[in-house]
Amino acid sequence: GQSLEQPSEVTAVEGAIVQINCTYQTSGFYGLSWYQQHDGGAPTFLSYNALDGLEETGRFSSFLSRSDSYGYLLLQELQMKDSASYFCAVRRKDSNYQLIWGAGTKLIIKP
Amino acid sequence: NAGVTQTPKFQVLKTGQSMTLQCAQDMNHNSMYWYRQDPGMGLRLIYYSASEGTTDKGEVPNGYNVSRLNKREFSLRLESAAPSQTSVYFCASSAGGLAGYRVVHNEQFFGPGTRLTVL
Repeated sequence: GQSLEQPSEVTAVEGAIVQINCTYQTSGFYGLSWYQQHDGGAPTFLSYNALDGLEETGRFSSFLSRSDSYGYLLLQELQMKDSASYFCAVRRKDSNYQLIWGAGTKLIIKP
Repeated sequence: NAGVTQTPKFQVLKTGQSMTLQCAQDMNHNSMYWYRQDPGMGLRLIYYSASEGTTDKGEVPNGYNVSRLNKREFSLRLESAAPSQTSVYFCASSAGGLAGYRVVHNEQFFGPGTRLTVL
C-alpha cells in the first residue's frame, strides 16, 4: 500500500523554528513535495526533494531520506502568516501524474 | 495570466441533481487534475488528464465523469449528486510529461476551489 503520515497539528511561537515530519510507506516514488494551504485557500507549492538531502528556499527547507522513508519541512523565523496547513505528497513511480497526499499538518503560531 | 480558474465558487444542490464544474488554465499545461478535499483530510484525486484527449481515473472516481474539452479546459460532472459528494473541489494543472527517460518534476498549480454542498 501507499500512505503518508504527518502530525495533525503543530504549535509554535512567532520567531521560532518548527519541523513538520512526513513518513511514508510506498513501494516506489519519484520525490517528496510540500504544499501550503491557508484556511479557505488553495494549496500552493513550497518545495520538492528529488534526491536525499536538504533543499533550502529562503526561510523554508525540506529534507528527504529515502533509506529512512522520512522527510520533513523546516520553517525558520516563523511569522504569523505561516499559520496554515502543510501537506507532503509523493509522486507514484507507477504513474507519472498521480500524487499521493498526506492528511496535512495544521501549524498554529502563537505570538 | 490568470493561472487556473474554476467556476462556480459555491454551489448548493439537492440530492439527485446534476451539475458541471468548469476549470480552465492559461499556462499551456499538458496535465490537469480534479481533486476533492474533505474537512481535515488531504487531497484525493478524482480524475486526471495527462494530456489533451486522455483521461484516467484517480483514487475516488465513482459518481463523477470528466471531459478534457481542449488543452485549456477540464470539466467535472456530477450526474446525480449525493450528500457524500459534499466537499471542496480543486482543479489543478501541471506541465506534465517526461524528459527523455527522466520524469520531470511537475509542480501542480491549483484553482481557488468550488465549495459544493449536497442536501
